[in-house]
Amino acid sequence: DTGVSQNPRHKITKRGQNVTFRCDPISEHNRLYWYRQTLGQGPEFLTYFQNEAQLEKSRLLSDRFSAERPKGSFSTLEIQRTEQGDSAMYLCASSNKIDRGRYEKLFFGSGTQLSVL
Amino acid sequence: LAKTTQPISMDSYEGQEVNITCSHNNIATNDYITWYQQFPSQGPRFIIQGYKTKVTNEVASLFIPADRKSSTLSLPRVSLSDTAVYYCLVGDDVNRDDKIIFGKGTRLHILP
Repeated sequence: DTGVSQNPRHKITKRGQNVTFRCDPISEHNRLYWYRQTLGQGPEFLTYFQNEAQLEKSRLLSDRFSAERPKGSFSTLEIQRTEQGDSAMYLCASSNKIDRGRYEKLFFGSGTQLSVL
Repeated sequence: LAKTTQPISMDSYEGQEVNITCSHNNIATNDYITWYQQFPSQGPRFIIQGYKTKVTNEVASLFIPADRKSSTLSLPRVSLSDTAVYYCLVGDDVNRDDKIIFGKGTRLHILP
């Protein structure tokens, strides 16, 4: 079990640039979540996938944000035309939804820290 | 997903037992209670999960009264390394389509 891997760990970009983050979940996990976290706040839900299907996207999420999970494996989160308010830690988590009758457990990566200058 | 309420912050000393209580008055019949721990610059980590009465593992204990409207995470003999944010979540895994939502959590600060 290699855990959830996120790349890069840190990203500094200029306002208006596009950025893309990658998440590699635990291999047998079929659910993948993206969260955003700012200082002093809990993780804020962005979107999640069951296999390759994107099941929900936060209504608070701008159209500049898009996520994919081709073939139900790794996932990418892209932010277009970044703004200073996008500066945050972007967290990825995966879970195994096969377990029935129990609340799913999320396994998180270490996150990608984005700084928009 | 049932809304939860927990203290914003708590302080304790090394070697003490720490109890963090979470209120979830609207918990549903199928809902489980789950706690996560988060250290700075890391993602949250699952600690413990329970449905009723008491659950214990190598990290913590979870006490859930009969009405299940609250739960208490108990950390025995804390050390400085237990300084972290602790999140309480409730939700069910039966016919569920919605996402897992985190609140602000409880910031636990352990003093020497």
